[in-house]
Amino acid sequence: QKEVEQDPGPLSVPEGAIVSLNCTYSNSAFQYFMWYRQYSRKGPELLMYTYSSGNKEDGRFTAQVDKSSKYISLFIRDSQPSDSATYLCAMTLLGASKIIFGSGTRLSIRP
Amino acid sequence: NAGVTQTPKFQVLKTGQSMTLQCAQDMNHNSMYWYRQDPGMGLRLIYYSASEGTTDKGEVPNGYNVSRLNKREFSLRLESAAPSQTSVYFCASSEGLRSPRGHYGYTFGSGTRLTVV
Repeated sequence: QKEVEQDPGPLSVPEGAIVSLNCTYSNSAFQYFMWYRQYSRKGPELLMYTYSSGNKEDGRFTAQVDKSSKYISLFIRDSQPSDSATYLCAMTLLGASKIIFGSGTRLSIRP
Repeated sequence: NAGVTQTPKFQVLKTGQSMTLQCAQDMNHNSMYWYRQDPGMGLRLIYYSASEGTTDKGEVPNGYNVSRLNKREFSLRLESAAPSQTSVYFCASSEGLRSPRGHYGYTFGSGTRLTVV
């Protein structure tokens, strides 16, 4: 079993829809949780990060962590075609130098 | 501010040839990483360097070697390329263990697309 599981998709939704992207993990010691966005033929870029449980909002994006269920989510409101990309969840232990990545979910927003 | 620079961007090798992928960062980051990305496999860590002067194996180190030349540069070498090493290679850097802001995110380069025939 992988430490971090992520549905690869692809996920296709119409413009303006609310998108929900999710990851589950097995290591209850993880404390930092991140979402990366990767456009086609580009390197991943850090989108959001949260520490421990709770929600964090940044514009149209909300990251949510439920440590009791070992489940993290990224919500995108009012989705735009420019949000079409692969989204990778990632997580790490406090003080660790390595990040564990999910395999990524490919998202397509239809105009 | 260039961030993380990888060279070359594209490369085609014949089986058995060797090459070195170069990576440099200008953010004064302590830690650097080499990943490969294959369809359906996600990002897999090849080697990393937590700080200047140290290197450690990641998940898939076989067939690769690395050198942390100085704080800025971290190179990946394929001694005898094989078709199984056809992939997109990403270099990344982070502030690492001593991050004062507790931010552990990576900054990635734009990748090297390698084909071994």
